[in-house]
Amino acid sequence: DIQMTQSPSTLSASVGDRVTITCRASQSISTWLAWYQQKPGKAPKLLIYQASSLESGVPSRFSGSGSGTEFTLTISSLQPDDFATYYCQQYNTYSPRLTFGGGTKVEIK
Amino acid sequence: QVQLVQSGSELKEPGASVKVSCKGSGYTFTTYGINWVRQAPGQGLEWMGWINTNTGNPRYVQGFTGRFVFSLDTSVSTAYLQINSLKAEDTAVYYCARGRGSCTTTSCHFDYWGQGALVTVSS
Repeated sequence: DIQMTQSPSTLSASVGDRVTITCRASQSISTWLAWYQQKPGKAPKLLIYQASSLESGVPSRFSGSGSGTEFTLTISSLQPDDFATYYCQQYNTYSPRLTFGGGTKVEIK
Repeated sequence: QVQLVQSGSELKEPGASVKVSCKGSGYTFTTYGINWVRQAPGQGLEWMGWINTNTGNPRYVQGFTGRFVFSLDTSVSTAYLQINSLKAEDTAVYYCARGRGSCTTTSCHFDYWGQGALVTVSS
């Protein structure tokens, strides 16, 4: 299975900060990567797919980049609604299973 | 608008069975696969597998074979997850999620999610 490692596991930031979350794959996955946001008690919400494509309706302060084994999710100016946990997910063709990173919790500093 | 609506929370005793439903609306149900994702308390997300809503073929990931059953009733645009012989470690929120891309080749991500169904297994 392809292992996905996110860092940091927790991040403390203030409103207006630029925030970057990293996701590393144990082997190359090209750009087969998605990012989700999950708030407590709620289902995950798709933010980014194909590593850098913004899902319809998602604010443009969210952006994704990377290819191969290293990926980043950037929030350009953190808003109060952005405090949540973020997960990456790989969907490399013919991988035995779809796998998620362990999550990054973005907390208020 | 696209929606996946799941059944409610369940409290079951060890050894019992539970069936969680996931009703799709706002799109043609048979054109997107339905995936199942487990989230144990305080933990991350774990893909359990998916069911092809066009053919009815399920695919189970290792670790979710034997006691877990995916099924469909396309006449009411609903997918089901049944868990048999429940164990305490099955306590989790179970999500259904619509797969976008080719889930057949495990190249899909999840664009719409149900609200989740909490299954608690306790005596």
